Amino acid sequence: SQQGEEDPQALSIQEGENATMNCSYKTSINNLQWYRQNSGRGLVHLILIRSNEREKHSGRLRVTLDTSKKSSSLLITASRAADTASYFCATDAYDKVIFGPGTSLSVIP
Amino acid sequence: DSGVTQTPKHLITATGQRVTLRCSPRSGDLSVYWYQQSLDQGLQFLIQYYNGEERAKGNILERFSAQQFPDLHSELNLSSLELGDSALYFCASSVLTSGGWGEQFFGPGTRLTVL
Repeated sequence: SQQGEEDPQALSIQEGENATMNCSYKTSINNLQWYRQNSGRGLVHLILIRSNEREKHSGRLRVTLDTSKKSSSLLITASRAADTASYFCATDAYDKVIFGPGTSLSVIP
Repeated sequence: DSGVTQTPKHLITATGQRVTLRCSPRSGDLSVYWYQQSLDQGLQFLIQYYNGEERAKGNILERFSAQQFPDLHSELNLSSLELGDSALYFCASSVLTSGGWGEQFFGPGTRLTVL
């Protein structure tokens, strides 16, 4: 498996519901980031959480990091149709940043 | 708008040819990354430059090369192109902080089609 792997690969929810995506990684990291990509567009940075942080919030986003389990989760609350996109975690393993394969989120109006 | 520019937006070429993709990072960012995104391989890190020097290498083929110039813009050269090189190529830039690599700002990408 890769350094960063998101789970699930695809997620479909109704508007207003919460969406949770998970990311697992293998090596020690400096920080972990979440990005969003709308189809065919460039990735957009959502949130960065450092290795000494456990939880971070930004608007409707909540990210947790468990370094003992080498995992992170991204929670999007009160989802909207506009949240439909692919979400990637990226681990900063000191010498390079590695992106996982992504979770494809579909929010149905 | 991320502040990262990439040219061209689209490129159609034939197998065996050579192309150059160009990237201008966000003002003040010294680090540039190149990525390849295809349906079967996902987002693959190719190479990173920091202030003109190669910093990290990923899954970059020998047929591919890159450089970062004194004005910090970067070019990715792809040669002896094959059908499988058809993909979206992204450039991103970031700053290096005491806490590691900061957020990356992605350009809009160059869509390469090899016929």
